[in-house]
Amino acid sequence: RKEVEQDPGPFNVPEGATVAFNCTYSNSASQSFFWYRQDCRKEPKLLMSVYSSGNEDGRFTAQLNRASQYISLLIRDSKLSDSATYLCVVNTGNTPLVFGKGTRLSVIA
Amino acid sequence: NAGVTQTPKFRVLKTGQSMTLLCAQDMNHEYMYWYRQDPGMGLRLIHYSVGEGTTAKGEVPDGYNVSRLKKQNFLLGLESAAPSQTSVYFCASSQRLAGLNEQFFGPGTRLTVL
Repeated sequence: RKEVEQDPGPFNVPEGATVAFNCTYSNSASQSFFWYRQDCRKEPKLLMSVYSSGNEDGRFTAQLNRASQYISLLIRDSKLSDSATYLCVVNTGNTPLVFGKGTRLSVIA
Repeated sequence: NAGVTQTPKFRVLKTGQSMTLLCAQDMNHEYMYWYRQDPGMGLRLIHYSVGEGTTAKGEVPDGYNVSRLKKQNFLLGLESAAPSQTSVYFCASSQRLAGLNEQFFGPGTRLTVL
């Protein structure tokens, strides 16, 4: 079982739609969680950290479920500019981050 | 601040040639990383460094060597390039290894080995 698993997509959604991605992680000792965004042929950039109590940043909401070992990202009112690949990232103690393979989102006009 | 920069942006090599990719960061970060990204494989860690003069192996270290002689620079070397090393290489840096540590990435180097 891979450390971090994501549905690769693509998720094709119309503008204004709400879309959610899930990510599962295998190591129960994982401590920190993040979502990164990667545009086509660009470098990954941090979108948001994921806190135990869940957190929101504008149209984006991240949730953590430690019991089931999954993280989710909800995007409301999708924009064309949200089209990108979203990487689920997990940190387990004093080791480098582990990146999922990403979920591709395409928002269609 | 330039953040993380990578040199070169593109390179084409013939099998057996050698080259060095340079990564530089101006954020005074302790930790630096080299990844490769291939279609369908995601980001895979090649080597990383927890400070000047130190390096450690990542998930896919074979065929690569690294050096961190100065805190701001992290070099990735290919001694004898193979077609399997055709990939996009990203360098990254962070202030911490654990916790709420953000990794900052360079723009990438697109390498083709013929």
